[in-house]
Amino acid sequence: DTGVSQDPRHKITKRGQNVTFRCDPISEHNRLYWYRQTLGQGPEFLTYFQNEAQLEKSRLLSDRFSAERPKGSFSTLEIQRTEQGDSAMYLCASSLGTSGPQLTDTQYFGPGTRLTVL
Amino acid sequence: RKEVEQDPGPFNVPEGATVAFNCTYSNSASQSFFWYRQDCRKEPKLLMSVYSSGNEDGRFTAQLNRASQYISLLIRDSKLSDSATYLCVVPTGGFKTIFGAGTRLFVKA
Repeated sequence: DTGVSQDPRHKITKRGQNVTFRCDPISEHNRLYWYRQTLGQGPEFLTYFQNEAQLEKSRLLSDRFSAERPKGSFSTLEIQRTEQGDSAMYLCASSLGTSGPQLTDTQYFGPGTRLTVL
Repeated sequence: RKEVEQDPGPFNVPEGATVAFNCTYSNSASQSFFWYRQDCRKEPKLLMSVYSSGNEDGRFTAQLNRASQYISLLIRDSKLSDSATYLCVVPTGGFKTIFGAGTRLFVKA
């Protein structure tokens, strides 16, 4: 399977703990996105990478959240000092982009990491 | 006003019916638009893209009205397998992509 993969698929943690999620995009894709989705809502944009550069970060993202894509391939999303409000599905997507900021490329999503903070 | 707004539904329709969803957006600079489909507890998948006035793919037709800033999705001859949540997607002028909250569709036998 050469689609987007995410690990782990499920994570249960206690409030105050740190968690890290991994996303492996489709191999030739240069663009990578992180989203958060809660029940009954659409995916909420968190951050965007073009190759290894983080070019956009949502203002909704608190300082407890950080994302990296060190070599322009896989990416990690870390949440420090988790809170119950962080419970959600964290989705990663990738795309092959050749256009400018007005994105027209198709995003392919991974299966997500479901986080539960107790 | 939300950047992307959709009627949450649910829309309950019988098999064979025609159903249409609307999506309004606030960023007049947006150039491209997408409809994604999301099945329960699954990831979103691209259904259609809309770059000009519209796009048609089999039973699915997407239309864009730039003057009124809305896009629509029309599904003809609904199938049971069309039951899902349909997400309207609008990339912004930067690198941010905005998803609507989705419209839920239930097609019944």
